[in-house]
Amino acid sequence: AQSVTQLGSHVSVSEGALVLLRCNYSSSVPPYLFWYVQYPNQGLQLLLKYTSAATLVKGINGFEAEFKKSETSFHLTKPSAHMSDAAEYFCAVSDPGAGSYQLTFGKGTKLSVIP
Amino acid sequence: DAGVTQSPTHLIKTRGQQVTLRCSPKSGHDTVSWYQQALGQGPQFIFQYYEEEERQRGNFPDRFSGHQFPNYSSELNVNALLLGDSALYLCASSPGQGFREQYFGPGTRLTVT
Repeated sequence: AQSVTQLGSHVSVSEGALVLLRCNYSSSVPPYLFWYVQYPNQGLQLLLKYTSAATLVKGINGFEAEFKKSETSFHLTKPSAHMSDAAEYFCAVSDPGAGSYQLTFGKGTKLSVIP
Repeated sequence: DAGVTQSPTHLIKTRGQQVTLRCSPKSGHDTVSWYQQALGQGPQFIFQYYEEEERQRGNFPDRFSGHQFPNYSSELNVNALLLGDSALYLCASSPGQGFREQYFGPGTRLTVT
């Protein structure tokens, strides 16, 4: 069964500092991996996805993530935090090769940006 | 181009009642998935509909049922509501039979008292 662990339920960074949100996954087959962002009282917006092509994936709003199979990780980074980045971030995994169409989410990491 | 839309936005129900939530997928999408997001948690998969059939189901009781219409819109029904059913219910749509990234609607906030 697939699962996702997000280390740190709450991360605080200063404006302009590096953002690093951690995600580790467990999957029996090469997975698809996603990062979503959720602003208060809103749905989820897709930031980026890994679907077995390039291991370094660039997304919207300056975010990127690197798939590391040996570490079973898919950490999300952004070189310089902006106030508008404050939100909750969810890592998700799916196993389409195993016939699974569902997304399995982590518990989320709330990002605070300090001016 | 309208994205995924859901109705109603908010809903308050009493324990034991039944509720129906509605979802219209993004234009060009024919697959609809439903997720439950409890406060402070990540979304949990309820089920997915494709070609008006339930294609996959998560670990939710039979009180949770759904339907997909020929125009690809979908309903989520929950019977015999429990306090623990209070959550944000998210609908997501995607195109085609194979797996594609899912696009989420704004959700319906259900409160059970």
